[in-house]
Amino acid sequence: SQTIHQWPATLVQPVGSPLSLECTVEGTSNPNLYWYRQAAGRGLQLLFYSVGIGQISSEVPQNLSASRPQDRQFILSSKKLLLSDSGFYLCAWNLAGHGANVLTFGAGSRLTVL
Amino acid sequence: GIQVEQSPPDLILQEGANSTLRCNFSDSVNNLQWFHQNPWGQLINLFYIPSGTKQNGRLSATTVATERYSLLYISSSQTTDSGVYFCAVEQGGSEKLVFGKGTKLTVNP
Repeated sequence: SQTIHQWPATLVQPVGSPLSLECTVEGTSNPNLYWYRQAAGRGLQLLFYSVGIGQISSEVPQNLSASRPQDRQFILSSKKLLLSDSGFYLCAWNLAGHGANVLTFGAGSRLTVL
Repeated sequence: GIQVEQSPPDLILQEGANSTLRCNFSDSVNNLQWFHQNPWGQLINLFYIPSGTKQNGRLSATTVATERYSLLYISSSQTTDSGVYFCAVEQGGSEKLVFGKGTKLTVNP
């Protein structure tokens, strides 16, 4: 069966420090991978998605970047965190081109920037 | 881009009551999903329902694609149903789901 792992689960970082959140999917090949952010107020905002190794699409201009160094690994990074980067970051995956393109989420990484 | 509106934004029920949550979207879609986010933040897919009706236990969903809305029905609600319910849609070929702002459901014992 397929599983998705995110870490760390919780992170407190000072303003100006770097960030690396990691997401790994097991039990499948060539998944689509996504990073969403959920700020206070509930909505989920799509930040990045990737349909293959090295292929990254950015949805909004921001202080963050994403990379996909391996087929089932998706990394969210920042060189210098801002206060506004605080939030709940969710990684998700699905399989493109399948009839039931169900999106499956990881448990999330809660980031607080102080 | 496509707009997704959910209503009501907040809903408080007594255990055992029924409820209907609505999702309106502004353009045609080829993918619509309902999710439940529990109080710990975990998002679980409830239905993949771009059209038609599906049922899973006390939950059911209906999407009328031609009229651009979907409904999620919760019957005989339980306290464990509490959380935020999201509707998300995908337009053809976009490879990305756009989420509504959610409906926060609180079920009191």
